[in-house]
Amino acid sequence: AQSVTQLGSHVSVSEGALVLLRCNYSSSVPPYLFWYVQYPNQGLQLLLKYTSAATLVKGINGFEAEFKKSETSFHLTKPSAHMSDAAEYFCAVTIYNQGGKLIFGQGTELSVKP
Amino acid sequence: NAGVTQTPKFQVLKTGQSMTLQCAQDMNHEYMSWYRQDPGMGLRLIHYSVGAGITDQGEVPNGYNVSRSTTEDFPLRLLSAAPSQTSVYFCASSSHTYEQYFGPGTRLTVT
Repeated sequence: AQSVTQLGSHVSVSEGALVLLRCNYSSSVPPYLFWYVQYPNQGLQLLLKYTSAATLVKGINGFEAEFKKSETSFHLTKPSAHMSDAAEYFCAVTIYNQGGKLIFGQGTELSVKP
Repeated sequence: NAGVTQTPKFQVLKTGQSMTLQCAQDMNHEYMSWYRQDPGMGLRLIHYSVGAGITDQGEVPNGYNVSRSTTEDFPLRLLSAAPSQTSVYFCASSSHTYEQYFGPGTRLTVT
């Protein structure tokens, strides 16, 4: 069975600082990995996805993530935080032939200080 | 395209009442899913479907029923609501690329 662990339920950064949100996955077969963002009282929006092509994946709003098989990690980064990045971020995993079955991490709430 | 739509947006139930949360998508996606979101627990998969007539259980299926008679619709039924089912419910759909598109959610309170 697949699983996801997000390290840190709350992360706080200053505006302009590097954003690093950590995600580790467990899967016995090659995974498909996703990062979603959720703004208050809204649904989830896809930031980026890894589906076995390039290991460095670029997403929307300047975010990117790198798939590292040896570390079973898929950490999300952004070079310079903006106030509008404050939200909750979720990492999720699925595998081939299980497209309706996303397994989510617990989420990381990102705060951005002025 | 409306994407994924959910009704109602808010609902209050008394313990023991039943109700159906509606979900529809207009993207001709084969996969559809229901999740519940609770503080500190992320989203947990309740049931999912890989096509019309085919459903399967997710991580937390107890107390919920689903069916999928058409590609577009995937209703979630609570047969006898319990306070533990107070949550925000999200419906999602996806195609063969596996990225899921989420509806706006239904906030359910069971008293």
